[in-house]
Amino acid sequence: DGGITQSPKYLFRKEGQNVTLSCEQNLNHDAMYWYRQDPGQGLRLIYYSQIVNDFQKGDIAEGYSVSREKKESFPLTVTSAQKNPTAFYLCASNARGENTGELFFGEGSRLTVL
Amino acid sequence: GEDVEQSLFLSVREGDSSVINCTYTDSSSTYLYWYKQEPGAGLQLLTYIFSNMDMKQDQRLTVLLNKKDKHLSLRIADTQTGDSAIYFCAESSHNNNDMRFGAGTRLTVKP
Repeated sequence: DGGITQSPKYLFRKEGQNVTLSCEQNLNHDAMYWYRQDPGQGLRLIYYSQIVNDFQKGDIAEGYSVSREKKESFPLTVTSAQKNPTAFYLCASNARGENTGELFFGEGSRLTVL
Repeated sequence: GEDVEQSLFLSVREGDSSVINCTYTDSSSTYLYWYKQEPGAGLQLLTYIFSNMDMKQDQRLTVLLNKKDKHLSLRIADTQTGDSAIYFCAESSHNNNDMRFGAGTRLTVKP
């Protein structure tokens, strides 16, 4: 079945460590996105990529990095520079030019910094 | 920046109707969406409405759009316990890198 797979689902990190969250999609979508979700707040856009080898900062990119070497994959690295990294991270994708612009989401990765 | 606002909590009894409200500020919004999030999961699109429409109905779901007041609502008829979830309102204008989400309304359905 087509969809978006995020891993790991749960991740614990010590302060000062970098961690990388995986996001893979087999929907043949050009565009991919990373959002951060905190309780009582809407989803906030971290980074997005509309094409391979290109990506743009979203609203809260500081302390994060991404790469887009393959169409199917858009990993997110949470660096030690991110001051408050404990959150639920959601990856999404959609087809460019598709009328409704529907976003397809993965199941999320919950990162906890100890 | 542009904002999307919705109340954080709603509690209803099973069988009643639920109405979740949302306001937005971007007058150039093209599409408005309702997404549903089950506990510990990603978001799934429930329904959407194009900005030149006033209403859209899909089985138990009715979406109303008041473009003048920038107000969007989602009505769920005959609410079931399985409808308990967080419902997000979202809007986009040109493309999805500017899709804005509300904080989500946690719907609790009591038996």
